[in-house]
Amino acid sequence: GIQVEQSPPDLILQEGANSTLRCNFSDSVNNLQWFHQNPWGQLINLFYIPSGTKQNGRLSATTVATERYSLLYISSSQTTDSGVYFCAVGNDMRFGAGTRLTVKP
Amino acid sequence: EAQVTQNPRYLITVTGKKLTVTCSQNMNHEYMSWYRQDPGLGLRQIYYSMNVEVTDKGDVPEGYKVSRKEKRNFPLILESPSPNQTSLYFCASSSFVGNTIYFGEGSWLTVV
Repeated sequence: GIQVEQSPPDLILQEGANSTLRCNFSDSVNNLQWFHQNPWGQLINLFYIPSGTKQNGRLSATTVATERYSLLYISSSQTTDSGVYFCAVGNDMRFGAGTRLTVKP
Repeated sequence: EAQVTQNPRYLITVTGKKLTVTCSQNMNHEYMSWYRQDPGLGLRQIYYSMNVEVTDKGDVPEGYKVSRKEKRNFPLILESPSPNQTSLYFCASSSFVGNTIYFGEGSWLTVV
């Protein structure tokens, strides 16, 4: 099956800093999504982005399908951005191990 | 409000006592699936359903059963729970396979 790798595994930021999270995958996919799991365990869909670039407020994502990676950008981070960020790929939604983000005030 | 609803949200049960975790979505979605989340292992798919009466195994189906008799409901059944099924369970749905997927709030299950 498809292998999904996320980096970095952990990230600690000061409030206001920017960050880039990466998702690499081992095969061509026509489905890639980014999720945020908040400290209470809820999984929120951030982007459906099999290719191209999308933006939603302070968050944006870019997927370069031909090179098998996707990037999630968080600008001007806030403490509420803390949690774990997952990417999932393929029709069976295979998840990476996640990036745990901690934003300190 | 569009949502995926799971029940119970929290449950402590004993080994061998059959239990069902219900999942319902109000978005008329065709595709539904179940995941379990364990520390260090991420989310792994248990079962999925492409439509009514169509179900298939995911990566970790052992010890679980599902059914899809109605479009909106996709219950997860643990016939004889064991402690290694202690986990956080998520139900999810999307309008069709490969489209934007929405998760329920999760069900914390402890088997003692």
